Amino acid sequence: DAGVIQSPRHEVTEMGQEVTLRCKPISGHNSLFWYRQTMMRGLELLIYFNNNVPIDDSGMPEDRFSAKMPNASFSTLKIQPSEPRDSAVYFCASSFPGTERNTIYFGEGSWLTVV
Amino acid sequence: AQSVAQPEDQVNVAEGNPLTVKCTYSVSGNPYLFWYVQYPNRGLQFLLKYITGDNLVKGSYGFEAEFNKSQTSFHLKKPSALVSDSALYFCAVRESGTDKLIFGTGTRLQVFP
Repeated sequence: DAGVIQSPRHEVTEMGQEVTLRCKPISGHNSLFWYRQTMMRGLELLIYFNNNVPIDDSGMPEDRFSAKMPNASFSTLKIQPSEPRDSAVYFCASSFPGTERNTIYFGEGSWLTVV
Repeated sequence: AQSVAQPEDQVNVAEGNPLTVKCTYSVSGNPYLFWYVQYPNRGLQFLLKYITGDNLVKGSYGFEAEFNKSQTSFHLKKPSALVSDSALYFCAVRESGTDKLIFGTGTRLQVFP
């Protein structure tokens, strides 16, 4: 199994630029999650989808952040415009939906630095 | 609201000694508890989970966790630590009625040769 695939793995961008992070969930997994990890705030859930529909986006920090899931095998997290405080590791994760028993599997993360 | 607490920022243990990484939880209803490990510059890897049944759960890499309802704890254990176990460990709880995982702050495990 290929696991959750994220791209890019590393990105350095200038403040004000648009950043797009991409995720391919595990095949057959219909729940998809975007988490952010920082030293100060730890792991935060930004948004999650079930069957391509956003279920809870209460963790999205600002209007500068947006996420889409146009189909079952692809999701994007976009930051526009980016700011230095957005520097973090962004993880995508996926699981089978519908039950609390299911395990969530994480990708290797996208390491974002905004200068 | 569901939450987990990891009271130790760091745990140090000598190689070959038993290790324990602590986690306590607060949930309404049945707890669904998870442990993940994060190696440097890597994503989170699933170690084990408690759903129901036996209080002692066995997982990957020789790790196990003990669910204790009376103490609302779910401590991670290993009988004999390896230097390669050095990593960041996260306890997590599934939010009731949702697919969301709520994570603790993490505990850094350092195993010394």
